[in-house]
Amino acid sequence: NAGVTQTPKFQVLKTGQSMTLQCAQDMNHEYMSWYRQDPGMGLRLIHYSVGAGITDQGEVPNGYNVSRSTTEDFPLRLLSAAPSQTSVYFCASSQTTGTTDTQYFGPGTRLTVL
Amino acid sequence: DAKTTQPPSMDCAEGRAANLPCNHSTISGNEYVYWYRQIHSQGPQYIIHGLKNNETNEMASLIITEDRKSSTLILPHATLRDTAVYYCIVSGGSNYKLTFGKGTLLTVNP
Repeated sequence: NAGVTQTPKFQVLKTGQSMTLQCAQDMNHEYMSWYRQDPGMGLRLIHYSVGAGITDQGEVPNGYNVSRSTTEDFPLRLLSAAPSQTSVYFCASSQTTGTTDTQYFGPGTRLTVL
Repeated sequence: DAKTTQPPSMDCAEGRAANLPCNHSTISGNEYVYWYRQIHSQGPQYIIHGLKNNETNEMASLIITEDRKSSTLILPHATLRDTAVYYCIVSGGSNYKLTFGKGTLLTVNP
């Protein structure tokens, strides 16, 4: 299994541009989520999904959209990039939402918005 | 979810045990204690979790006090590759919506 994969690894955008961060998992996991990590800080939850067709907002959802059309993929869309969205973005998945299930994280996408 | 308090940094000599403390004095009965770590620039990695009993796996041991207000993660024989930020997280009801604080930067020295 490749686990959780994220593309691209690095991205530079100009203010106002849009883009999609890709996340895929090959473990047939039900739950997927997106976090952002600003320098020197912990991770903050942006959006999450408990299954195909079901998404919900996390702690910092503004400026981001998500959809979950398949079990495997959970893309994160930036509609109009702002410098405040410069961050490292991590995607995670787990088999279920149960308390004993481990979250598996991808390697991250490093985004810079100029 | 209950808030956690961890020291910002700790040092440990290679080959010695690393004991990372975490306070969670407001933890409620159905909340689990999770530990993750993040090696520089990588995604967080699950280490261990527990409810009230001590737990051990191939990576670490988790000791939870009887009143559950604090816990200690033990890496029995720390190596240089264990240098990372360690996050103690308390969460109940589900394993998602985990709140990652700033964690403890553990530096393992040769």
